[in-house]
This record gives sequence, structure tokens and C-alpha cells, in this order.
Amino acid sequence: EDQVTQSPEALRLQEGESSSLNCSYTVSGLRGLFWYRQDPGKGPEFLFTLYSAGEEKEKERLKATLTKKESFLHITAPKPEDSATYLCAVTKGAQKLVFGQGTRLTINP
Amino acid sequence: GAGVSQSPSNKVTEKGKDVELRCDPISGHTALYWYRQSLGQGLEFLIYFQGNSAPDKSGLPSDRFSAERTGGSVSTLTIQRTQQEDSAVYLCASSPGRGDEKLFFGSGTQLSVL
Repeated sequence: EDQVTQSPEALRLQEGESSSLNCSYTVSGLRGLFWYRQDPGKGPEFLFTLYSAGEEKEKERLKATLTKKESFLHITAPKPEDSATYLCAVTKGAQKLVFGQGTRLTINP
Repeated sequence: GAGVSQSPSNKVTEKGKDVELRCDPISGHTALYWYRQSLGQGLEFLIYFQGNSAPDKSGLPSDRFSAERTGGSVSTLTIQRTQQEDSAVYLCASSPGRGDEKLFFGSGTQLSVL
């Protein structure tokens, strides 16, 4: 069965304190791995898609990387506005994303 | 509209009643998805539409759940004889449907079954 596990469940950082979120997966025939950001009361917002091991994508203070078994979302010098739940999802190309449970990130000023 | 629109944003119902949740996708998006998010849980896939047909409805939890899409646009998710365990946020998403799996989500309908 395809599984996506995210860790930690929750993370509190001080403003400017860099860290990484982890997404490990067991999927045969992975076609793509996605990162989304979700703010309270809102739907998830797309951040990145990664397709092959070794690939990296960057956007502002965020960088996503992918290996054959996991993905990391690195947050460099975060700001309070980066506080959100970050969701990882995988697809085998069947038009269906399998989501992890998310990491709730809080950045204190 | 500019984004995916869902209505109502909140719905409170009594156990045993039927409810209908509506989704207006981004104009021109041929693919439409319904997901469910329970408190503290990840998103659970329910059903996928390509145009008006549903090639994958494997995530519908029981025959009390059904969905349809008309005109390749608006979709309605219907839950019959609601149960307390149906309480969750129901999220709709759309995508261009050209093999692009980047989904655009609405803000969801918070369903509470008393």
C-alpha cells in the first residue's frame, strides 16, 4: 500500500532559525512528489513538484529536494508569515494524489 | 472566477439528513477532484472527474456518497443519511487536466453532523 509519512508533526522555530521538514514515502512507480502549503481555513496551495531523485526546486526561503525514498523541505531564515501546515503528496500518474498528514510549522517573532 | 469556489463554506446538519456540497472549478479546467480532510488528518481522496465522467471513484467511503459533474464545470458531492463520522472539511480541486497534476484547491466546506 502506498504510504506517505511526514515528520515532525509539529515544529516551532524562532524567526531566522533554519530547519528541514521530512517526507518519506513507499510508492512503487513514483511519478511525482508535491509540496503544498495550507493556511488555517484555506485549501492547500501548490509549492513544488519534483519528478526524479536529485532534483531540487527553490522559491524564496524554501527549497525542496528529492531522493529515492524521501523529500526534504528546507526553510532558510524563516519569517512568521511562513507559519502554516506543509503537506507532501505523491502520485503514480493515476490522477490521484496520496497525501501525508502534514507538518504544522510555527515561526515565532 | 479567479479560483476554485466552494459552497457553502460551512454546513451544520442533523444525523440522517442529506447534504449537497457544490464546487465551481477554474474555468477551462477539465479535471476536478474531491478530497476530505478530517481534524488532524491528511487529505483523503474521494473521486476524480475528467470532463463529466468519473474514471476513479475509488475513494468514496460508502454508497451514501455520490458525486456528479455537469457541463464539464460545476460538481456536486451528495452525502445521504449523514453520520457523525462524516464531519470533516470537504475540499474540491481542479487542474487543467493535460497530465498536469498541480491542483488548485478551493477553501473547502466544513461539514458538521450533529
